[in-house]
Amino acid sequence: QVQLQESGPGLVKPSETLSLTCSVSGGSISGHVWTWIRQPPGQGLEWIGYIYYTGITRYNPSLTSRVTISVDTSQNQFSLNLSSVTAADTAVYYCARTSLEGTTELWGQGTLVTVSA
Amino acid sequence: DIVMTQSPLSLPVTPGEPASISCRSSQNLLHSNGKNYLDWYLQKPGQSPHLLIYLGSNRASGVPDRFSGSGSGTDFTLRISRVEAEDVGVYYCMQTLSTPYTFGQGTKLEIK
Repeated sequence: QVQLQESGPGLVKPSETLSLTCSVSGGSISGHVWTWIRQPPGQGLEWIGYIYYTGITRYNPSLTSRVTISVDTSQNQFSLNLSSVTAADTAVYYCARTSLEGTTELWGQGTLVTVSA
Repeated sequence: DIVMTQSPLSLPVTPGEPASISCRSSQNLLHSNGKNYLDWYLQKPGQSPHLLIYLGSNRASGVPDRFSGSGSGTDFTLRISRVEAEDVGVYYCMQTLSTPYTFGQGTKLEIK
């Protein structure tokens, strides 16, 4: 079955760029929508944005000036870049597969990213 | 942004008893196509969330039939007919009518 796995640095310095990759195994990245969601420690869930496999993106307006989501169909993976990070960006970051109607139908296990000097 | 409000935020339940969680949205989630763009998720302790109910009332694959979703427009309910110990965790509703997609605050279900 399809599995998602996040990877990237667990520690990022303030003002730098957070970069994560989600590898999709057991299925093709084509034909689907791919999403990033985050969860600060002990808090609720925040939708960051999604990318269609063709490259069309939608971002949360609260992050749009700092976020970029990209897709690499040849590698069957998609990525998140979040620039100018602060401690408020410390969170577990989840990648997910989303249906065409917006349902987050499959989640990765999540990766904790801490922003600290 | 559409604001999602869940209640209660904490829900202690005796095993075998029913439970229900309310989710209200600040805007109508019923699309002109007749679908309600409201999903329910459960995040068990130490795990990532997983899908329970999509488009208001459709159980996801593998979800036990003791879980059901109902409601339309701005008022939705997740019901568990008989709570089991494995149902503990935080339940979230999420609207996907319009971006940014938004979640409720979460309801923590615990066993009495």
